[in-house]
Amino acid sequence: NAGVTQTPKFQVLKTGQSMTLQCAQDMNHEYMSWYRQDPGMGLRLIHYSVGAGITDQGEVPNGYNVSRSTTEDFPLRLLSAAPSQTSVYFCACGRLATEAFFGQGTRLTVV
Amino acid sequence: AQSVTQLGSHVSVSEGALVLLRCNYSSSVPPYLFWYVQYPNQGLQLLLKYTTGATLVKGINGFEAEFKKSETSFHLTKPSAHMSDAAEYFCAVTHSGGYQKVTFGTGTKLQVIP
Repeated sequence: NAGVTQTPKFQVLKTGQSMTLQCAQDMNHEYMSWYRQDPGMGLRLIHYSVGAGITDQGEVPNGYNVSRSTTEDFPLRLLSAAPSQTSVYFCACGRLATEAFFGQGTRLTVV
Repeated sequence: AQSVTQLGSHVSVSEGALVLLRCNYSSSVPPYLFWYVQYPNQGLQLLLKYTTGATLVKGINGFEAEFKKSETSFHLTKPSAHMSDAAEYFCAVTHSGGYQKVTFGTGTKLQVIP
């Protein structure tokens, strides 16, 4: 039982490149979310999903796309990477009004 | 709308001393409140949570928090700090409308001095 698995753990991108951050959970939870963590700003919600086929925007969605074709997977796509997207990204899953279970994070640097 | 304010981005305590990390929230509906801990280079893990019922909540590693509606607070305490408590702590708020609408505070880094 791995919980929430994020890949890759580290990534360096050049400005303008695109990439997908992977997130997979084996907890059978309906809800999945992506957050970014920046120093002094806590965690900010990028996108979330309440189930397969349903996604919605969070607080900072610009520059990111998501899809949810299965309960298990919730990939985050960076369309055209910018230095402002340098951050640590966390994927989380959970059930309604309960705690979130977080992955180990992906540290992304855009140069 | 909901928000969380954590007073003090850095807190230092001596080993064996009381730990007090402050969290105040704002919510237009009855809140669900959480404290998470993050160790270096790791994800967040749940320390404790308040949803309904008893306002004094006990969590893992000897931590506890008390929900005070009149003060809109949910401060985290531990009677005696241990070196292993050094980490960053996040307070978070949501409500019964759905887990996905979780708002996190900006975090408090706890340093434990030997």
